[in-house]
Amino acid sequence: GEDVEQSLFLSVREGDSSVINCTYTDSSSTYLYWYKQEPGAGLQLLTYIFSNMDMKQDQRLTVLLNKKDKHLSLRIADTQTGDSAIYFCAERERSNYQLIWGAGTKLIIKP
Amino acid sequence: DTGVSQDPRHKITKRGQNVTFRCDPISEHNRLYWYRQTLGQGPEFLTYFQNEAQLEKSRLLSDRFSAERPKGSFSTLEIQRTEQGDSAMYLCASSSRGTTAADTQYFGPGTRLTVL
Repeated sequence: GEDVEQSLFLSVREGDSSVINCTYTDSSSTYLYWYKQEPGAGLQLLTYIFSNMDMKQDQRLTVLLNKKDKHLSLRIADTQTGDSAIYFCAERERSNYQLIWGAGTKLIIKP
Repeated sequence: DTGVSQDPRHKITKRGQNVTFRCDPISEHNRLYWYRQTLGQGPEFLTYFQNEAQLEKSRLLSDRFSAERPKGSFSTLEIQRTEQGDSAMYLCASSSRGTTAADTQYFGPGTRLTVL
């Protein structure tokens, strides 16, 4: 079945770039999403990319998609303490609207 | 735009009791989704409505679970005869057909259920 995998933790120094990686198995995925979840808060959509694109940039965020390897990454430039959160990768299948989610990567910022 | 709201935010119940959660989507969003999230995991899809029609149900949704969206606006999720394994965060999301092809889903804050 479909599967989305992420590393559980990433630790970076404040001001450095963070790169959060995700792999997925469904080659028919149409859209891939990144969501952010802060403690006690709901899931916040950060960005998404269509499967026929290989890069999307939005201010400090850069999404890279390698469709051949089924690998998605989210780069956060100039990481700040406010970026501390859990980041979820999700894919949407071509045939329906449900999202398949990774387990999330907890981003830890070191001063 | 007030966002997706869910009520209650927290629910503590005893095993065997029935519980009902409510979700109010973003106004004019015609799609509504329910997910369940347990600690350390990503959300798991439960069910999806387009307007008032329930178009998809996960096999996770046992016969103790039922969801409705009677007028195509708010939705309720009922769990009958709750079990300790039902303890989780129940998330609601909505999206709008035609806004973008990405059909981006916007999430509410969730209802945290604890079954004692």
